[in-house]
Amino acid sequence: QVTLKESGPGILQPSQTLSLTCTFSGFSLSTYGMGVGWIRQPSGKGLEWLANIWWDDDKYYNPSLKNRLTISKDTSNNQAFLKITNVDTADTATYYCARIDHGARDYWGQGVMVTVSS
Amino acid sequence: DIVMTQTPSSQAVSAGEKVTMSCKSSQSLLYSENKKNYLAWYQQKPGQSPKLLISWASTRESGVPDRFIGSGSGTDFTLTISSVQAEDLAVYYCEQYYDTPPTFGGGTKLELK
Repeated sequence: QVTLKESGPGILQPSQTLSLTCTFSGFSLSTYGMGVGWIRQPSGKGLEWLANIWWDDDKYYNPSLKNRLTISKDTSNNQAFLKITNVDTADTATYYCARIDHGARDYWGQGVMVTVSS
Repeated sequence: DIVMTQTPSSQAVSAGEKVTMSCKSSQSLLYSENKKNYLAWYQQKPGQSPKLLISWASTRESGVPDRFIGSGSGTDFTLTISSVQAEDLAVYYCEQYYDTPPTFGGGTKLELK
C-alpha cells in the first residue's frame, strides 16, 4: 500500500526558509522510473508544480521559482524534502507531495498547510 | 512552457447527466516513438488532495468507475462522465507530463444544478 505524508512548520515569517518533508511507504525512490514531486495550491486556486526528484537523483525545478527551491531525498529512510528560501505571503498554500511512477502522479499525500505571515 | 487550457471553468450539472470537459495544450503531447499522449486527469473534491483518474490520456486508473472516459490526442483532450453522480462533484484538472515543467490546466468545477 502506497502512502505519502507531508510535514512542515505550519507558519513562518517572511524571508525565512520553508522546509518540507515527504515521508512515504509502499515504494522505493531507488526503483527505476520512480519519482516524487512537490505541488502547491493556494486556498481556492489551482495547482502549481514546484519540483520533481527521480530515482537516479535527477532534479527538476519550476523555472519561475528555481533559484529558491532545493529538492532532495533520503532513500534509506523513504523521505523526500523541499526547501524554499526567502518565503513571502505569496508562498502561503497547501503543499502536496506525490509519487510519479513512469508517468502521472498516481499517489498524493494529504497535503500540509503553510502560512507565511509576519 | 506548455500552456494547458481547460474549458469550461465551471459547469452546473444534474445527476444522471452526461458531462464533457475540454483540455487543450499549446503543443502536442503525443510522443511519436511510443504513440502515447502524456496527459493526465485528476479529480479534487473539497478538502481533499487530487486523485489520479486517467493517465496517458485514456487509461483509467484501477478502481476508477467506468463512467469516467478520457479521450483525445495531440493537443485536444476530453474527459467525459457518462452519467454524473453526486459524488462526482469536484474540480477536475488536466496535467501534461510531456515536457518539463509539467503544467496543469486551471480546472473545471462541477457543481450541482
